[in-house]
Amino acid sequence: QQPVQSPQAVILREGEDAVINCSSSKALYSVHWYRQKHGEAPVFLMILLKGGEQKGHEKISASFNEKKQQSSLYLTASQLSYSGTYFCGSCSGGYQKVTFGTGTKLQVIP
Amino acid sequence: DAGVIQSPRHEVTEMGQEVTLRCKPISGHDYLFWYRQTMMRGLELLIYFNNNVPIDDSGMPEDRFSAKMPNASFSTLKIQPSEPRDSAVYFCASTQGRMNTEAFFGQGTRLTVV
Repeated sequence: QQPVQSPQAVILREGEDAVINCSSSKALYSVHWYRQKHGEAPVFLMILLKGGEQKGHEKISASFNEKKQQSSLYLTASQLSYSGTYFCGSCSGGYQKVTFGTGTKLQVIP
Repeated sequence: DAGVIQSPRHEVTEMGQEVTLRCKPISGHDYLFWYRQTMMRGLELLIYFNNNVPIDDSGMPEDRFSAKMPNASFSTLKIQPSEPRDSAVYFCASTQGRMNTEAFFGQGTRLTVV
């Protein structure tokens, strides 16, 4: 089952903040975040592991609530380069199978 | 390393024809994934391999789809016969290690079945 993301789309002006949410109906071991620009491949942002460990880029922050099976990605002081579709991926075991949501399309305008 | 390499980048075929998509993972990576991307369903995991062995093919939509990984540096995804609803972007990704690690995606193959 795919995780559910919200919102589906958002438009920001440069400098504004945004939060993208991801929830799963299954118990989560880890949450993976990727960003995809139009016509390009998804690119890794970060992984949040059960227990609080995070792997990823320092400029991006996220949270992982294991009990609620939810994760949120925080984009602060948005830049034009943040535009793209953000995918969260859920992993319910300690293995490599990641199931992605349908994505959140983010557009940052001047 | 050149990253994950997929070919062709674009494929247009007629309904009923066989289509073969190709992928070369990053050298040293032991996991390989095939994803399909559509507007409606987002990124769907079709199948993944570990050390050339298929581990989970539960995402393969129908028997018309098959995937192989004859060696550590090559994988194929075949659709036979193809149908218009198979039109999508197909991504291959690879990663290393048993536990949660960053996956590297190829540039994708945009398949159009007319």
